[in-house]
Amino acid sequence: AQSVSQHNHHVILSEAASLELGCNYSYGGTVNLFWYVQYPGQHLQLLLKYFSGDPLVKGIKGFEAEFIKSKFSFNLRKPSVQWSDTAEYFCAVPGDTNAGKSTFGDGTTLTVKP
Amino acid sequence: SQTIHQWPATLVQPVGSPLSLECTVEGTSNPNLYWYRQAAGRGLQLLFYSVGIGQISSEVPQNLSASRPQDRQFILSSKKLLLSDSGFYLCAWKTGVVTEAFFGQGTRLTVV
Repeated sequence: AQSVSQHNHHVILSEAASLELGCNYSYGGTVNLFWYVQYPGQHLQLLLKYFSGDPLVKGIKGFEAEFIKSKFSFNLRKPSVQWSDTAEYFCAVPGDTNAGKSTFGDGTTLTVKP
Repeated sequence: SQTIHQWPATLVQPVGSPLSLECTVEGTSNPNLYWYRQAAGRGLQLLFYSVGIGQISSEVPQNLSASRPQDRQFILSSKKLLLSDSGFYLCAWKTGVVTEAFFGQGTRLTVV
């Protein structure tokens, strides 16, 4: 069965600091990985996704993630965070059966201080 | 374009009362539908999923049930709410196995 784990439950940064949120996956088949974001008061939405090809994927709002197969990792990064990046971030795998049951990490709450 | 509607946004219900949360999807056919519960610091717990009309699978034993009376309608119900049913409930849909999930705005349920 697929699983993901996120190492940081709560991260606090100042504006312009660099961000890296950890995500490790456990899965033996074809790997597809997602990062979702939930801004305060908004619905959960896709930030970026990896299916195949270039292991460095770019998403919305300047976020990127790197798939490192040897480390079973898919860490989320942003060189310089803004106050508006304050949100909860979830790493996820999409499911490997017809049901497509996505499995989510426990989430990381990012607070960016202005 | 596809959209998902989930209502109500907030709900306060007394213990022992019934529950009905509704979710509808527009702009797609035969989606996979999901109900999740989100708890602070514990991620998203999958409660139910459905791959077609009338087909419901439960992931965890609980006081809740789900139904899918129409292709794009998914309902989360309870006959008698418990205090432990309080939480944030999310409806989601997908078109395929490895595609992204699209989420509704969620319902904050407080059982008092």
